[in-house]
Amino acid sequence: DADVTQTPRNRITKTGKRIMLECSQTKGHDRMYWYRQDPGLGLRLIYYSFDVKDINKGEISDGYSVSRQAQAKFSLSLESAIPNQTALYFCATSDSPGLAGAETQYFGPGTRLLVL
Amino acid sequence: SQQGEEDPQALSIQEGENATMNCSYKTSINNLQWYRQNSGRGLVHLILIRSNEREKHSGRLRVTLDTSKKSSSLLITASRAADTASYFCATRGGSNYKLTFGKGTLLTVNP
Repeated sequence: DADVTQTPRNRITKTGKRIMLECSQTKGHDRMYWYRQDPGLGLRLIYYSFDVKDINKGEISDGYSVSRQAQAKFSLSLESAIPNQTALYFCATSDSPGLAGAETQYFGPGTRLLVL
Repeated sequence: SQQGEEDPQALSIQEGENATMNCSYKTSINNLQWYRQNSGRGLVHLILIRSNEREKHSGRLRVTLDTSKKSSSLLITASRAADTASYFCATRGGSNYKLTFGKGTLLTVNP
């Protein structure tokens, strides 16, 4: 079974709709991240969480919100989707600092979102 | 803004040849990592090199780091068609453990 899972894998929605993307991990990592990937722009960090009580904005958080329901779950919401939020969204996890390999991030398979 | 910038943006080679990709960054780093992404899939970590290291090997991968030039290179030797993917460098600076990714190099290995 995959260590980092994302649901849904594909989603088509309309402008103005609320969308939630979910991420679950079985790696036991404290740290979780949400990125979006656009052609030619690489990956950009939306939000990250270093533990259940910690939420931080990334470089492009406007229009997004997150919820860290448990150590294993980190959800990304688009409160009112707009077409320029059409992208490939990735969840990632990493271990706590001080542990071997802590800097390595493990990615989910991605959610492809199309906003019409 | 992006910290790492890969060069070239796209590279096409024949199976068996070596592939070299470069990454340049702007500010001081703690480490630099390379990730691979098969089309439409999640990124997979390949190798990490710390700022006090100059070269690192893993199988057919060789990574170099030149902190004076703020650059790194990833060499894939004896490439295979299965190496076809996008390759990203990612840098971490400071103590926050966030990674900043470049835009990637698309490598195509022709059989």
